[in-house]
Amino acid sequence: QVQLVQSGADVKKPGASVKISCKASGFTFSNYNMHWVRQAPGQGLEWMGIIDRSGTSTHYAQNLQDRVTITRDTSTNTVLLDLSSLRVEDTAIYYCARDLKLVRGPLDLWGQGTLVTVSS
Amino acid sequence: SYMLTQPPSVSVAPGQTAKITCGGNNIGSKSVHWYRQKSGQAPVLVVYDDSDRPSGIPERFSGSNSGNTATLTISRVEAGDEADYYCQVWHTSSDGVFGGGTKLTVL
Repeated sequence: QVQLVQSGADVKKPGASVKISCKASGFTFSNYNMHWVRQAPGQGLEWMGIIDRSGTSTHYAQNLQDRVTITRDTSTNTVLLDLSSLRVEDTAIYYCARDLKLVRGPLDLWGQGTLVTVSS
Repeated sequence: SYMLTQPPSVSVAPGQTAKITCGGNNIGSKSVHWYRQKSGQAPVLVVYDDSDRPSGIPERFSGSNSGNTATLTISRVEAGDEADYYCQVWHTSSDGVFGGGTKLTVL
């Protein structure tokens, strides 16, 4: 079954870091660029960043680039999101998503989402 | 930075046609993708590259893009189409940009 399965919900204090995993199955993981998108409660979608198929190139949204790191592990078909120096406003559902194309394209497969709550 | 503007809400009766717009500066020069997000669920791609449909998406979903406006059209609207819809493009800076979303209400 073609799917992306993400790690479970997490609660963090301001200033801490969070790491979210996204495990791919049912397709050749190394053939696809992967993205992270987040959604604050009651808000719209916000693109966070992309990692290429090889894992050697990343690009992050300007407002997050000092705090976000995306990596991938081809041995476990997993993409990881690391967000540091957490703030209350980072409370959101975080989604991983697969890029349909070799260069930036539509996101055709999404994980189920991971709720991260940042609260003191 | 590049911005995409969507109406916050659109209402339509069952069986009628819903049109959801996405405005952006010269958006006609970009490829526009559309996502449906039902309450409590992850987004689903419904139209990509302005007017193509992924497998499994009904022909009732179509798209167009010209000038400063892209449009998602849903024909013969059903109760199950009620959801939030988002447009998305890739900016020249290589950043992904989403519209603010449109809540489709089926009356």
